[in-house]
Amino acid sequence: GDSVTQMEGPVTLSEEAFLTINCTYTATGYPSLFWYVQYPGEGLQLLLKATKADDKGSNKGFEATYRKETTSFHLEKGSVQVSDSAVYFCALISNSGGSNYKLTFGKGTLLTVNP
Amino acid sequence: DAGVTQSPTHLIKTRGQHVTLRCSPISGHKSVSWYQQVLGQGPQFIFQYYEKEERGRGNFPDRFSARQFPNYSSELNVNALLLGDSALYLCASSGTSAALGELFFGEGSRLTVL
Repeated sequence: GDSVTQMEGPVTLSEEAFLTINCTYTATGYPSLFWYVQYPGEGLQLLLKATKADDKGSNKGFEATYRKETTSFHLEKGSVQVSDSAVYFCALISNSGGSNYKLTFGKGTLLTVNP
Repeated sequence: DAGVTQSPTHLIKTRGQHVTLRCSPISGHKSVSWYQQVLGQGPQFIFQYYEKEERGRGNFPDRFSARQFPNYSSELNVNALLLGDSALYLCASSGTSAALGELFFGEGSRLTVL
């Protein structure tokens, strides 16, 4: 079945540091890929998405590129801020096998950014 | 505009009891999905409803059931509660059948089973 593997957290960075959170996936067909973010005390929010190979999703300074050859969708940001502290979830939705109604999530990576 | 609203926000039950969780989607959204998030894990899919019909069901026992009403709000019911049912239950809505993966989540209902 479909699965998503994220790098283990927690990740602690200083403000303005470079961020990478690794994500790899296993899926049949050609899934769409997502990063969701959960800020403290808030619900999950879609951060960015990519629907086909080589697509780059971007939002709020975050970027991720859909790499079919390595089945990866790593999240990056050049300069993190304290306000980026949150839990980040990589997710996919399968476009085959009749499963295109559910998101499959990774376990999440807690990011803490210190001033 | 109101987002996805869930009730109750917190509740405590004992083993064997029954619980009903409620969700109101964003106005105009016809799809509602339910996810279970155990502490330290990513959300796990439970159900998806679109236009009042069940479109998908995750790997959960028959103790879990749901329905969607004509106004597109939804209920998740869990019978014969077990300690392992303790989790944050998330409701999400979308304007389509959720196939695009762009879901809008509520803040969740935190269930504790003692």
